[in-house]
Amino acid sequence: QVQLQQSGPGLVKPSQTLTLTCAISGDSVSSNTAAWNWIRQSPSRGLEWLGRTYYRSKWYNEYAVSLKSRITINPDTTKNQFSLQLTSVTPEDTAVYYCARCDRQNWFDPWGQGTLVTVSS
Amino acid sequence: DIVMTQSPDSLAVSLGERASINCKSSQSVLHSSNNNNYLAWYQQKPGQPPKLLIYWASTRESGVPDRFSGSGSGTDFTLTISSLQAEDVAVYYCQQYLNTPFTFGPGTKVDIK
Repeated sequence: QVQLQQSGPGLVKPSQTLTLTCAISGDSVSSNTAAWNWIRQSPSRGLEWLGRTYYRSKWYNEYAVSLKSRITINPDTTKNQFSLQLTSVTPEDTAVYYCARCDRQNWFDPWGQGTLVTVSS
Repeated sequence: DIVMTQSPDSLAVSLGERASINCKSSQSVLHSSNNNNYLAWYQQKPGQPPKLLIYWASTRESGVPDRFSGSGSGTDFTLTISSLQAEDVAVYYCQQYLNTPFTFGPGTKVDIK
């Protein structure tokens, strides 16, 4: 079955760039039916979809408008994984970050294990 | 953006009793082309990611006990646990997947009375 394994630092300083990676097993980041998402969860914002990357003869990205100037989601076909970069972070970006797959339709299954990222000096 | 709301914020139900959670969307998530409601439900236990329970508003994911059921259409939906078990203590979220940005409800916490 499909499994997602997240990695990345749990502490990021304000104004720096948050980078997380999600390694995929049991599926391909280049799948023509799947989309690869980042979602975060915090007490103040709840569950918030951040964006996704997917391949349909070429690569596409979609991002939440509120983050569009700061977010990049990139596939890595050589390692079968995808990454999240969020620039210029502030304490408001403190959250548990999840990666998740959509397959053919846009419900999320499975999810990664989650990474608590704290933005603090 | 489609705003999702849920009620109640929390509820406590005796073991074996019924629990019902409501979810409302700010606009219809019924797609006219296929008559499907683009609405999913998730269960989240402490320290775990959300787990998909139901999609298309009423289709149970494989392996989900049949005490979980979903109903509703358009803008109003309900998740029902017909006979609450101890392992059902969790927070439950609805999510619309009709349009980006995909949006979630704020969650309903279910506890044992």
